[in-house]
Amino acid sequence: DQQVKQNSPSLSVQEGRISILNCDYTNSMFDYFLWYKKYPAEGPTFLISISSIKDKNEDGRFTVFLNKSAKHLSLHIVPSQPGDSAVYFCAASAQTGANNLFFGTGTRLTVIP
Amino acid sequence: DADVTQTPRNRITKTGKRIMLECSQTKGHDRMYWYRQDPGLGLRLIYYSFDVKDINKGEISDGYSVSRQAQAKFSLSLESAIPNQTALYFCATSVAGGPETQYFGPGTRLLVL
Repeated sequence: DQQVKQNSPSLSVQEGRISILNCDYTNSMFDYFLWYKKYPAEGPTFLISISSIKDKNEDGRFTVFLNKSAKHLSLHIVPSQPGDSAVYFCAASAQTGANNLFFGTGTRLTVIP
Repeated sequence: DADVTQTPRNRITKTGKRIMLECSQTKGHDRMYWYRQDPGLGLRLIYYSFDVKDINKGEISDGYSVSRQAQAKFSLSLESAIPNQTALYFCATSVAGGPETQYFGPGTRLLVL
């Protein structure tokens, strides 16, 4: 059973506009959330994270929002650039126990010049 | 130079053959992981190791084995490859303690005929 879900397989956005990628989770024990970005023929690279004690974390053009009551997080990219075109994975972990990451299925973002 | 390297990058093998995928890291991290990625399924954990003497099964360990030869090296073996093990395999590392942020290698694309 998929504990982390990304329901949109793909998203297309015009350059300069906002990209919003969504992620839902089912395990209430998850307390740390990450976004990874993956280009073809490369491994996933860490982008941004958020702890459950926060509801927002910002790093340059990237902001992650966490809504614990809805078990939902989102990644906002503003402004979107063609180089942002990649597959984005959401991941979650619980700080207790093995602390392993659980990944969503990914969303392919295409930024149109 | 890459912090996490994987060899080979691509491999074609036949059903029933034994193969080994290797991972090396220069990040000095204690924890190492093996994942596989299949289309539409995201990344799933095969095995993980928190130090040289600690090996643990992940979500999908059947048909795989691992060896942690040193802090910097973690190998994944398919004892008798089968076609449904055709996938993209990633090695990852993380530092012990604190929130879990993993750093990935470039991946090995495996095709089992």
